Amino acid sequence: TQLLEQSPQFLSIQEGENLTVYCNSSSVFSSLQWYRQEPGEGPVLLVTVVTGGEVKKLKRLTFQFGDARKDSSLHITAAQPGDTGLYLCAGFPNTGNQFYFGTGTSLTVIP
Amino acid sequence: NAGVTQTPKFQVLKTGQSMTLQCAQDMNHNSMYWYRQDPGMGLRLIYYSASEGTTDKGEVPNGYNVSRLNKREFSLRLESAAPSQTSVYFCASRDRDRGVTRLVQPQHFGDGTRLSIL
Repeated sequence: TQLLEQSPQFLSIQEGENLTVYCNSSSVFSSLQWYRQEPGEGPVLLVTVVTGGEVKKLKRLTFQFGDARKDSSLHITAAQPGDTGLYLCAGFPNTGNQFYFGTGTSLTVIP
Repeated sequence: NAGVTQTPKFQVLKTGQSMTLQCAQDMNHNSMYWYRQDPGMGLRLIYYSASEGTTDKGEVPNGYNVSRLNKREFSLRLESAAPSQTSVYFCASRDRDRGVTRLVQPQHFGDGTRLSIL
């Protein structure tokens, strides 16, 4: 059983389109991170959100942490081929000492 | 800028063979982690070491052992490899969080070891 579920699992869109990726859980998280991974490499951190309701922007990427700190979303505006990759959310639940990654969303942006 | 270095990058084993995956970081981080990545499963934590001299089980520890050799190095050992352990293995390190909020510091990953067990 995965503590963090991401949807969709796969996404293929045309350059210039908008998209949203979701990261959901029934557990409350102390904070949550989003990573992007390119083929043959390890994940690289994009952003950390720590406060319920928090919104962070990174150029065309907008990250939101749910009010109850159980879910998060990543919205990309006007996607570009360089956005292609695997997007992973990750977090610490409020209880326990284990760290969890989501199931991942594989994004392909077609020129 | 070495960061996190994993060796080997690729390995093919036969069922029942043993091997050790090596990981070293040069960022003076306290915490180190071993993950496996399988299609549709994201990254699953095998073992982690919060500080030198300590190790703890993650989500999927069965069939693996680890050693935190010193602050820099954290190795993962497969004693008797099984086909179910075919995967891509990632090592990561992380600086300690400062303040009360957990998971603020990023994890820094190596480029992975692609392991096939026949």
